[in-house]
Amino acid sequence: DSGVTQTPKHLITATGQRVTLRCSPRSGDLSVYWYQQSLDQGLQFLIQYYNGEERAKGNILERFSAQQFPDLHSELNLSSLELGDSALYFCASSVAIGDSGANVLTFGAGSRLTVL
Amino acid sequence: AQTVTQSQPEMSVQEAETVTLSCTYDTSENNYYLFWYKQPPSRQMILVIRQEAYKQQNATENRFSVNFQKAAKSFSLKISDSQLGDTAMYFCAFMFSRDDKIIFGKGTRLHILP
Repeated sequence: DSGVTQTPKHLITATGQRVTLRCSPRSGDLSVYWYQQSLDQGLQFLIQYYNGEERAKGNILERFSAQQFPDLHSELNLSSLELGDSALYFCASSVAIGDSGANVLTFGAGSRLTVL
Repeated sequence: AQTVTQSQPEMSVQEAETVTLSCTYDTSENNYYLFWYKQPPSRQMILVIRQEAYKQQNATENRFSVNFQKAAKSFSLKISDSQLGDTAMYFCAFMFSRDDKIIFGKGTRLHILP
């Protein structure tokens, strides 16, 4: 158990629907990252939050949004789902940012989304 | 834009052999971090090793070591005495020290054969 908790583990839904993926970071970690991994692909960076604020944005679609709450858990919302959104969505957390040195990511087990 | 390139999509080696996975990156920055992550069939992402760009000494973690060539922008991973449990997808990753966006390469699928 990495200490990063993602729910649900698996989710099957239909095109056009909306889903919410949830992530609880490791205790003490302030920074949360979201990544998308499509079948046999690398990890695509979506977005990062630090202590409730958006810190960095990657290739996140407009149909996707995220937020980090005061208790530091984060949610990734995916709407108007398309077949191509089927992927493994990872959340990762880290203690701090930048030159603090403690910038190693700890990953959750991922949420596998299947869009039919 | 920063890029991370892993030129070997797939590799196979016999158990107990040594294998080296290649990674190159492109950046004009001077301060950054490099990582190797492992993703076994369970799909869990596991940190293998990390290297701070300002450190000249190559990082080592047990059977895993890196060859960091800053001028060449190369960061290869050497696995010594490979074990069946090393079978996994290996991702090279890059992070600026001033920015928290961590960029991953497309991965190298490593098979350790009995």
